[in-house]
Amino acid sequence: EVQLVESGGGLVQPGGSLRLSCAASGFTVSSTYMSWVRQAPGKGLEWVSVIYSGGSTYYADSVKGRFTISRDNSQNTLYLQMNSLTTEDTALYYCARATFGYSSDWGQGTLVTVSS
Amino acid sequence: DIQMTQSPSTLSASVGDRVTITCRASQSIGTWLAWYQQKPGKAPKVMISKASSLESGVPSRFSGSGSGTEFTLTVSSLQPDDFATYYCQQYNSFLWTFGQGTKVEIK
Repeated sequence: EVQLVESGGGLVQPGGSLRLSCAASGFTVSSTYMSWVRQAPGKGLEWVSVIYSGGSTYYADSVKGRFTISRDNSQNTLYLQMNSLTTEDTALYYCARATFGYSSDWGQGTLVTVSS
Repeated sequence: DIQMTQSPSTLSASVGDRVTITCRASQSIGTWLAWYQQKPGKAPKVMISKASSLESGVPSRFSGSGSGTEFTLTVSSLQPDDFATYYCQQYNSFLWTFGQGTKVEIK
């Protein structure tokens, strides 16, 4: 059974950093596309980043240069390093398995709140 | 970047109604489009991929069509469990994008 469990969210001040984790089970993260999607309170879904099985990474313009997606194959875990956070980054962050480009499996999300 | 525009933003309908949601891409994306359903407090669930392929377990009253820049999601006979928000997402380019969502409400 595929399972994705996010962690690492919390309250952080503007300008601060946070690293989100997504522990995967039931499949191997390095063998598929893995993505991060966020949802600000009361708003729609926003794609954030993807890491392909080959290791290529891509980012939405809104986070490019500030966020870094990575994975640890030995831990079967996906990460999102978030730097220079602003209030606009406040959202529920989901990780998702995206084997064919669309997200077939999702975690429950981890909440990031950026506030002073 | 490819922009995705859904219409309408909100749709009021009754059980048994046929409803259609439209998603337009700012440039051609072939059939690289997925539709998701999201209920309050829950993660999204993929309903349709590659514009018209029904995901396993999704009721056959859901269907998708389109190619290029215009796509539709149709529910042939709306059921109580279908009241939710629906999103389209393109995965044609390296930078994926979602539509802004369509909330299907009870009339």
